[in-house]
Amino acid sequence: DGGITQSPKYLFRKEGQNVTLSCEQNLNHDAMYWYRQDPGQGLRLIYYSQIVNDFQKGDIAEGYSVSREKKESFPLTVTSAQKNPTAFYLCASSMQTGNTGELFFGEGSRLTVL
Amino acid sequence: SQQGEEDPQALSIQEGENATMNCSYKTSINNLQWYRQNSGRGLVHLILIRSNEREKHSGRLRVTLDTSKKSSSLLITASRAADTASYFCATDPNTGTASKLTFGTGTRLQVTL
Repeated sequence: DGGITQSPKYLFRKEGQNVTLSCEQNLNHDAMYWYRQDPGQGLRLIYYSQIVNDFQKGDIAEGYSVSREKKESFPLTVTSAQKNPTAFYLCASSMQTGNTGELFFGEGSRLTVL
Repeated sequence: SQQGEEDPQALSIQEGENATMNCSYKTSINNLQWYRQNSGRGLVHLILIRSNEREKHSGRLRVTLDTSKKSSSLLITASRAADTASYFCATDPNTGTASKLTFGTGTRLQVTL
């Protein structure tokens, strides 16, 4: 079945460590996105990519990095520079890259810094 | 930056009642979308309404859009316990450039038996 797969679902990290969250889609979508969600909050955009080998910063990119080497993959690295990384991270994709259409979301990855 | 703001923040109703959630936004938009999120899960797209549309229906969902007031409402009729979730509006701003959705803070809906 087509969809978006995020892994791992739960991740624990010690302070000072980098961690990478995986996001894979088999929907053949051009655009992919990473959002961060804090308790009781809406989603804030970290990075987005509209085409392979290209990506743009969202509203809260500091302390994060991404790559888009393949159309189906858009991994997110949470670096040690991110001061408050404990959050729920959501990956999404969409078919349209101009006027944004429907977003398809993965099930999320919950990162906890110990 | 947060574009949409939902109201109320939380809503508790009994099964069979209707639930109405509102969303206000600040800038002009191409479209507005509503999503549902069950606790600890990803978001699921419910409905998209374009800026030139005023009302749209999908099953038990009815969405209205008033661009003059920069507001939208989501009505869920004959609610069920399975409708318990958080509901978010998301706006696609009309910036003239490649756009991206911005989400509100959500309405938490609790439907009790």
